[in-house]
Amino acid sequence: EPEVTQTPSHQVTQMGQEVILRCVPISNHLYFYWYRQILGQKVEFLVSFYNNEISEKSEIFDDQFSVERPDGSNFTLKIRSTKLEDSAMYFCASSSRGQTYGYTFGSGTRLTVV
Amino acid sequence: QKEVEQNSGPLSVPEGAIASLNCTYSDRGSQSFFWYRQYSGKSPELIMSIYSNGDKEDGRFTAQLNKASQYVSLLIRDSQPSDSATYLCALWMDSSYKLIFGSGTRLLVRP
Repeated sequence: EPEVTQTPSHQVTQMGQEVILRCVPISNHLYFYWYRQILGQKVEFLVSFYNNEISEKSEIFDDQFSVERPDGSNFTLKIRSTKLEDSAMYFCASSSRGQTYGYTFGSGTRLTVV
Repeated sequence: QKEVEQNSGPLSVPEGAIASLNCTYSDRGSQSFFWYRQYSGKSPELIMSIYSNGDKEDGRFTAQLNKASQYVSLLIRDSQPSDSATYLCALWMDSSYKLIFGSGTRLLVRP
């Protein structure tokens, strides 16, 4: 069964450093998303991406965050200057038809900012 | 008002019983609803989707939707210890083209 692949599975970084989280969505999917989940809290929407541009972003997704689809397969989330409160699980998801079929989530990247 | 509300639980049921998980939502215009299961430390896994009022069955799972009452539920028949997880209710926001999650209900199935 096709899956969404995320790397790395766990990243530890120092406060103020830049991190790039990587995702390979399912190949025929057109809609891409990043969500985060702080430990013990809900899954929160960060950003959606379609047709090579951001469709929607949350208020969490400030100037420190950016997304890119640098080639036909990868989808990345960059955090420019990490803060302690950025520590969370980050999930990439993709979908073929937007709302109709739900998302397929990747296994996540656990980001720990120290 | 929260967009998607769930009781955090834990909901504890004995093995073999029916587990009933509930969710209410505030956006009357929402048309698409989803239930995800999340094991501790893992990513959400889609269980069911429902778009029309009434019941939708898939194996041991039944999703129920009542748009007039803005209420979605998930029934799990013959609960197994492996069903112990957090169940996330999600709805599609047509206005902003994204999926919004509730905070989840933790289910414990006792052997």
